Amino acid sequence: AQTVTQSQPEMSVQEAETVTLSCTYDTSENNYYLFWYKQPPSRQMILVIRQEAYKQQNATENRFSVNFQKAAKSFSLKISDSQLGDTAMYFCAWNYGGSQGNLIFGKGTKLSVKP
Amino acid sequence: AAGVIQSPRHLIKEKRETATLKCYPIPRHDTVYWYQQGPGQDPQFLISFYEKMQSDKGSIPDRFSAQQFSDYHSELNMSSLELGDSALYFCASSASGGTPTQYFGPGTRLTVL
Repeated sequence: AQTVTQSQPEMSVQEAETVTLSCTYDTSENNYYLFWYKQPPSRQMILVIRQEAYKQQNATENRFSVNFQKAAKSFSLKISDSQLGDTAMYFCAWNYGGSQGNLIFGKGTKLSVKP
Repeated sequence: AAGVIQSPRHLIKEKRETATLKCYPIPRHDTVYWYQQGPGQDPQFLISFYEKMQSDKGSIPDRFSAQQFSDYHSELNMSSLELGDSALYFCASSASGGTPTQYFGPGTRLTVL
């Protein structure tokens, strides 16, 4: 069975600093996708970034980037120039290559950005 | 851009009552997913539909049922509600083909008293 592990239940960072959230996963599939979702206090689930396993290049979306290490089954999220609005729960999620596959989530990392 | 719409946003029910949650996917999205998120937990997959047919089933109780209609909207029907059903219920949608990215609705907060 596929599993997603986020080993950091809580983290904090100073405004404008950089922070990295860790995620590891376990799968025997070769074709899959990885995602980071953000859940602010409003509880809305917001897509932050996605990575296709077949792509070697790490995905980047503005201040958000990932370090995808397929052999190590690691998928960390780096947030640069942290802003107060980045305060949220961050979930790492895995989806196999089928287009109707459900997401398997990690337990989440609660990130607090301090002024 | 249009997003996933869920209704109602909040629902309060008594034990043993029934509830119906509705989801309207992003236009041209053909797949709908339902997730349940308890307090302090990660979302758990319940069920999904592709082109109006059930495509996958997760930890959905037998008391719950769902379907996807011809206009692609979906409804989650919950009967004999229990206190433990109190949770945030998300609907997500995706388009088949390409990267299967799921976009979430704002959720329905169900409270069972």
